[in-house]
Amino acid sequence: DAGVTQSPTHLIKTRGQHVTLRCSPISGHKSVSWYQQVLGQGPQFIFQYYEKEERGRGNFPDRFSARQFPNYSSELNVNALLLGDSALYLCASSSKVERRSYGYTFGSGTRLTVV
Amino acid sequence: DAKTTQPNSMESNEEEPVHLPCNHSTISGTDYIHWYRQLPSQGPEYVIHGLTSNVNNRMASLAIAEDRKSSTLILHRATLRDAAVYYCILRDSISSGSARQLTFGSGTQLTVLP
Repeated sequence: DAGVTQSPTHLIKTRGQHVTLRCSPISGHKSVSWYQQVLGQGPQFIFQYYEKEERGRGNFPDRFSARQFPNYSSELNVNALLLGDSALYLCASSSKVERRSYGYTFGSGTRLTVV
Repeated sequence: DAKTTQPNSMESNEEEPVHLPCNHSTISGTDYIHWYRQLPSQGPEYVIHGLTSNVNNRMASLAIAEDRKSSTLILHRATLRDAAVYYCILRDSISSGSARQLTFGSGTQLTVLP
């Protein structure tokens, strides 16, 4: 079975540009979350989507947006890129978002470099 | 705000047990204790989680203190492939939205010596 797949794996953009990152969850998983991991730090939560609806948003500016499609794949969009947006962007999927504890499965991430 | 405290780094010898500690003195009654690890150039990987009782799975064991203010992840026989950053995370089981997301701290960098 394929795990969580993210594309592209690496990306270089210029300040002020826009970027779109893509994520395909594990088959059957309806929840997708996005995390940003700056070098040397732990991942930080950006968004969670479940059944195409936003269910959680972290402390990120409005330049960050996301959406989930009917097939449960997801896109993360970042506008007006800043040098500080350079990071590893991780996507995680899970099967439920109900009142239970469960584990997430992470992809290997997209390494974004802003120059 | 990190709700857990872990040592920055630990070393272990290959094929010996490793005990990775985590303090979470402000844990609430609805917080589950999760452990993830992140190998180099990969995303975090779920290891184990628990609420009150000790837990075992094929990867590791989780020992939870009786007052739940601390826990220990136990790798029974460390291998070179276990070298990673290990994150101890509290996750609220009843809140919604952002409050239920994984809040990663800096974790413990485990080095396994051959």
